[in-house]
Amino acid sequence: QSGLTQPPSVSGAPGQRVTISCTGSSSNIGAHYDVHWYQQFPGTAPRLLIYGNNNRPSGVPDRFSGSKSGTSASLAITGLQAEDEAVYHCQSYDRSLSASVFGGGTKLTVL
Amino acid sequence: QITLKESGPTLVKPTQTLTLTCTFSGFSLSSTNVGVGWIRQPPGEALEWLGLIYWDDDKRYSPSLESRLTITRDTSENQVVLTLTTLDPVDTATYYCAHRDDSTGWGVYDIWGQGTMVTVSS
Repeated sequence: QSGLTQPPSVSGAPGQRVTISCTGSSSNIGAHYDVHWYQQFPGTAPRLLIYGNNNRPSGVPDRFSGSKSGTSASLAITGLQAEDEAVYHCQSYDRSLSASVFGGGTKLTVL
Repeated sequence: QITLKESGPTLVKPTQTLTLTCTFSGFSLSSTNVGVGWIRQPPGEALEWLGLIYWDDDKRYSPSLESRLTITRDTSENQVVLTLTTLDPVDTATYYCAHRDDSTGWGVYDIWGQGTMVTVSS
């Protein structure tokens, strides 16, 4: 059972902006633990996309951005491109579990 | 350049023990704040954090697997070993090891191995 909740799927047309939510609780995101986001293409390992809520590793386009407020976090993708079609996962730490936790993953479809 | 690669059996029988090795390069597991974590993903399902070993040999495990899971390291060989006992078909998944450096971002796994698929079946 995932500790964080994500919508199973989102979609958008090329050029549009989409957001993916990641809802937690007072024991993880709400406890001020950082949220990280990963991008995963079929048959490949997850790739770090956003770390520490809103930081991009080198090589990640600035079309990707992250934010956090209260017990939730969001990943925003602007100027949607066909190559963005993938599954996106959020991750944080849960102090009641004393464990890292992931969301269920969100499948992004570019229409 | 940091790389990690998982290796081990692809098919294991129920009740048996799974041993996976993560062989890494490009960093030292003796460096402060560095760790190697294990994460798995059943086919078509979410990522699940399994556990972590730190530079000082501190270990953390998922509460749901703690009784069956052990993570050890061989610093001289640049390897981390995952051992999971009493396997069940629900343990069928792709198993990933990943690099963690809390000095750059607490709790983030910045580099992942390619993963290894393990099927538990008789």
